[in-house]
This record gives sequence, structure tokens and C-alpha cells, in this order.
Amino acid sequence: AQSVTQLGSHVSVSEGALVLLRCNYSSSVPPYLFWYVQYPNQGLQLLLKYTSAATLVKGINGFEAEFKKSETSFHLTKPSAHMSDAAEYFCAVITMNTGFQKLVFGTGTRLLVSP
Amino acid sequence: SAVISQKPSRDICQRGTSLTIQCQVDSQVTMMFWYRQQPGQSLTLIATANQGSEATYESGFVIDKFPISRPNLTFSTLTVSNMSPEDSSIYLCSAEGQGDREAFFGQGTRLTVV
Repeated sequence: AQSVTQLGSHVSVSEGALVLLRCNYSSSVPPYLFWYVQYPNQGLQLLLKYTSAATLVKGINGFEAEFKKSETSFHLTKPSAHMSDAAEYFCAVITMNTGFQKLVFGTGTRLLVSP
Repeated sequence: SAVISQKPSRDICQRGTSLTIQCQVDSQVTMMFWYRQQPGQSLTLIATANQGSEATYESGFVIDKFPISRPNLTFSTLTVSNMSPEDSSIYLCSAEGQGDREAFFGQGTRLTVV
């Protein structure tokens, strides 16, 4: 079954600094990968998704992620952090189970942005 | 895209009681999903609800504890039965978009059992 691993439960950056959130996947087939963001007391919002088209995927709010098959990675980056980026970020992969496709989430990374 | 309305947004319940959470989608969707997010944790899939058939539960979740209804293509409910403090979590409804493998989420229901 497909799975994802997020390295680092917390990442702290200064405003204006590069944001790098790590995600590695495990999949025996070409994966469908996603990054979601969860702001406090909110549901999940899709940032971007990889569905086997371009390896560099651009998302909302200036985020992007690059699919690297050789490294089995799908790290999320943003060139310059903003205070409003402080949130919980989840990497996810689609897996098949009992005939249904379902999302499997990583453990999440909390991004802290300091002034 | 799909807009999902979930209610209640939060509730505080007495142990031993049940709470039903409603999820309304603004368009017809085939698959709907219910997740649990325990404090400080990631999301765990409870069950997949397909219209016209019984929900498919993940390991560790049973129908008696989490009965689900899916009466049509835009609506689903999750009931948390005979609640205990361990059921205190955020419960999220999700729906799969048409043909794009993208999942949309409701705002979640923050449940506290006392």
C-alpha cells in the first residue's frame, strides 16, 4: 500500500525565509500526491497535487512542490515565508483499498513563522 | 471544485450520548469520506460512504460505533455513538471531485466529550 512520511513535526522559519517541508512517499505504482494545509480551527485546503504530468507543480499562495522519482520525494517549498503561512501542512497519497481509492495522510508538519 | 458544509462546527457532549454530524455537498459526488483527527494528530479514515450501499469501514472502526448514512449523492451523516472522552476529536467530511482525484473537505466538527 502507498504511504507518505513527513520529516519534522515542526518547522520554524523567519518571515521572508525559504520554506521547505519534506515528504517522502512509498509506492509501487506511479503515485498521486497532494499537499494540504490546515489553518487553526479549519478544515483542509488543497495546496497542490501531482498526477503524473509536470514534475514541478505550482499551487496556491506561492507554494510549489517537485516530484523526484529517484528520491521518492515530493517536498513543498515557498521562496519567502509570510506570517499567514503559519499552519499545519499534510502530505497525502492516494492508495487503493477494498476497491476504493482513498487518501492516506502523513503525520503533518506545523509551520511556525516568526517576525 | 465542491463546497462542503458540515454541522455542527463544534459540540460538547455528555458521555454515553450520541451525536450526529451532517455533511452537505453543493454538487453530486460519488464518494464521500469521514475522517477523525485526534488532538495533535493526522487524519485517520473512518469509512468510505458510497451512495446506495453500506459504508466501508477501516480497520479499527465499526458500524455500531460510527453508523453512517448516505441517502443521496449530496448528503451524508456520521453518528458517534455511546460517546466516551476518547472520542473527543475533530471529525471531517470529505468528498472526491469528479474525475480529478482531488478531495474537498468540510470545516470539521470539533467534538468534546465530558
